[in-house]
Amino acid sequence: DTAVSQTPKYLVTQMGNDKSIKCEQNLGHDTMYWYKQDSKKFLKIMFSYNNKELIINETVPNRFSPKSPDKAHLNLHINSLELGDSAVYFCASSLYRGGTEAFFGQGTRLTVV
Amino acid sequence: QKEVEQDPGPLSVPEGAIVSLNCTYSNSAFQYFMWYRQYSRKGPELLMYTYSSGNKEDGRFTAQVDKSSKYISLFIRDSQPSDSATYLCASGGGADGLTFGKGTHLIIQP
Repeated sequence: DTAVSQTPKYLVTQMGNDKSIKCEQNLGHDTMYWYKQDSKKFLKIMFSYNNKELIINETVPNRFSPKSPDKAHLNLHINSLELGDSAVYFCASSLYRGGTEAFFGQGTRLTVV
Repeated sequence: QKEVEQDPGPLSVPEGAIVSLNCTYSNSAFQYFMWYRQYSRKGPELLMYTYSSGNKEDGRFTAQVDKSSKYISLFIRDSQPSDSATYLCASGGGADGLTFGKGTHLIIQP
């Protein structure tokens, strides 16, 4: 069983489109995250939810909107995609707030053309 | 000011060598320290977790944290070609999630 799973694994789309990435964890964790990894492999936090409540919202364009329907799911919706949004997006979860021992999904490789 | 600094490498060593990977951090509030291993096109995989200062050993891997100098280390003994990957150090301390270094690309030559 995959602990943190995200779909799709690959996403190629045109500029200006709207797309969503879904994430689910079966670890029973309270906290979930979205991280962005750029072409230089730098991993940076975007959002964090604890029990469906937004607790971290880093400086991210408001075209990015996370949604957590329950504490096992955290989706990421991106409006009006731009070339600079191309990156790998990772979902992660941890038992508690603070990101201790965060477990990551396999990533969604987003390419905007 | 970057909060976690890590040399990106690449670091290339022969099989069987002892590998030393290092990070420095600037935020005194950090209390949790982690090392992740990331293979190409895969998600980061948690290797070691340390709370506060001290050492932790797990098989061929030893993690060290020195909070007085804000220095984090990972040692790999008897390195294997399968250890070739990018190693990310990460630190955290509150509700702000983890702050990652940029990762060190390690190559173990057979």
